[in-house]
Amino acid sequence: GQNIDQPTEMTATEGAIVQINCTYQTSGFNGLFWYQQHAGEAPTFLSYNVLDGLEEKGRFSSFLSRSKGYSYLLLKELQMKDSASYLCAVLDSNYQLIWGAGTKLIIKP
Amino acid sequence: GAVVSQHPSRVICKSGTSVKIECRSLDFQATTMFWYRQFPKKSLMLMATSNEGSKATYEQGVEKDKFLINHASLTLSTLTVTSAHPEDSSFYICSARDLMAGENTGELFFGEGSRLTVL
Repeated sequence: GQNIDQPTEMTATEGAIVQINCTYQTSGFNGLFWYQQHAGEAPTFLSYNVLDGLEEKGRFSSFLSRSKGYSYLLLKELQMKDSASYLCAVLDSNYQLIWGAGTKLIIKP
Repeated sequence: GAVVSQHPSRVICKSGTSVKIECRSLDFQATTMFWYRQFPKKSLMLMATSNEGSKATYEQGVEKDKFLINHASLTLSTLTVTSAHPEDSSFYICSARDLMAGENTGELFFGEGSRLTVL
C-alpha cells in the first residue's frame, strides 16, 4: 500500500529553527509537495521537489532524497504565524496526490 | 499565483436539505478539479475528481448519489450534498490544476474551503 509518515506534532521556540520530516512509500514518484494549513483554512502551497537536493525559498527550505524515500521541510527564524499544520504529499505514478496526515507545529514565545 | 474561489465559506442547514458548493478558477482554466473533505484533526480525503464535460470519478466509499458533482465549464465545478445529515458536517475543499501549467506539474490551487454544519 501507499504510505506517508510524518510526526503528529512538534513544538519549537520563536526565532529558532525546526525540521519536519516526511518518509514515503508510494507506487511511483512524480514529486513531493509541502503545504501549510492554518486551522479552519485551506492548504497553501509551500514547495515542490522532484529532484534530489535542497530547495530554498526564503525562510523555508525543502529537501528530497528519492533513494531514501525521505524529505524534510526546514523553517528558519520561526515566527508565531508559522504555527500551523504542515502537510507532506506525494504525486504517485498516476499523478494522484497521496497525503500525509500532517504535522501540527506549535510555536512558543 | 492562480486563484480559486469557493462559495459559500460557511453554511448551516437543516437535516434533509441539499446544499450546493461552488468552486471557481478566477484567472485560469481548469480541466480538472478535485473535491476534498477534511474531518477534524485529520488530513484531506479526496472525494472525487471532476473533469470538465464528463462524469466525475469518485473515490472508493464515496456515494456519488449523495455528493453530486458537476463540472459544466473550464472555470466552474459544483458539489451538491443531497439530503444532508449531521454526519455530513465537515470542511469541504476544492482544488484545481492550471491548464496552461500542464498536467504534469501537479501543483494544485485550493479554494478557501466551505464549512458545512447540518443540524
